[in-house]
Amino acid sequence: QQQVKQSPQSLIVQKGGISIINCAYENTAFDYFPWYQQFPGKGPALLIAIRPDVSEKKEGRFTISFNKSAKQFSLHIMDSQPGDSATYFCAASPGTYKYIFGTGTRLKVLA
Amino acid sequence: GAGVSQSPSNKVTEKGKDVELRCDPISGHTALYWYRQSLGQGLEFLIYFQGNSAPDKSGLPSDRFSAERTGGSVSTLTIQRTQQEDSAVYLCASGETGETQYFGPGTRLLVL
Repeated sequence: QQQVKQSPQSLIVQKGGISIINCAYENTAFDYFPWYQQFPGKGPALLIAIRPDVSEKKEGRFTISFNKSAKQFSLHIMDSQPGDSATYFCAASPGTYKYIFGTGTRLKVLA
Repeated sequence: GAGVSQSPSNKVTEKGKDVELRCDPISGHTALYWYRQSLGQGLEFLIYFQGNSAPDKSGLPSDRFSAERTGGSVSTLTIQRTQQEDSAVYLCASGETGETQYFGPGTRLLVL
């Protein structure tokens, strides 16, 4: 019940395309859902986050879509660029210290 | 402002030696976390500090692993009698409980 399932494991997208990464959770107590971006040799950096009172949040080319009834949330990267090539992690938290991370998606955007 | 810093950035050690990894959190953050990331893998939770106390040590893999935090600030993760399977990136994060965690760049540990 504490798991966050992330898919796909890896993703290759053409420049200008849309990258979509999905996460699913079981625990209905989760109320904070951040996405992290990690470049090789660096620590994860917060990209965008959402709480379940909204169904969508957009920041620039990055959008989180949240489906509370399905217990799913996804990251959409519009107009994907080679500089977006990184590993992306979703996470969920019940509003305490505990974060449950997904297993990561390695994104490669082809020039 | 300054982010989370970790030292050393890289550490190579011989099997059986002890190592100490340091984390300097963002000033004022009361919560501090240690994670382990093996090559190409996700983030494995190790320990959580609230202030100087560690209410959750459940992720420490064995009694060879310990951590402390002093002055509500700097934290040290110690691995005794290192083993080859300890090789990984050790990440520290800080934040306020229930809010965003901010990660440091990590310490890459290689045990030969």
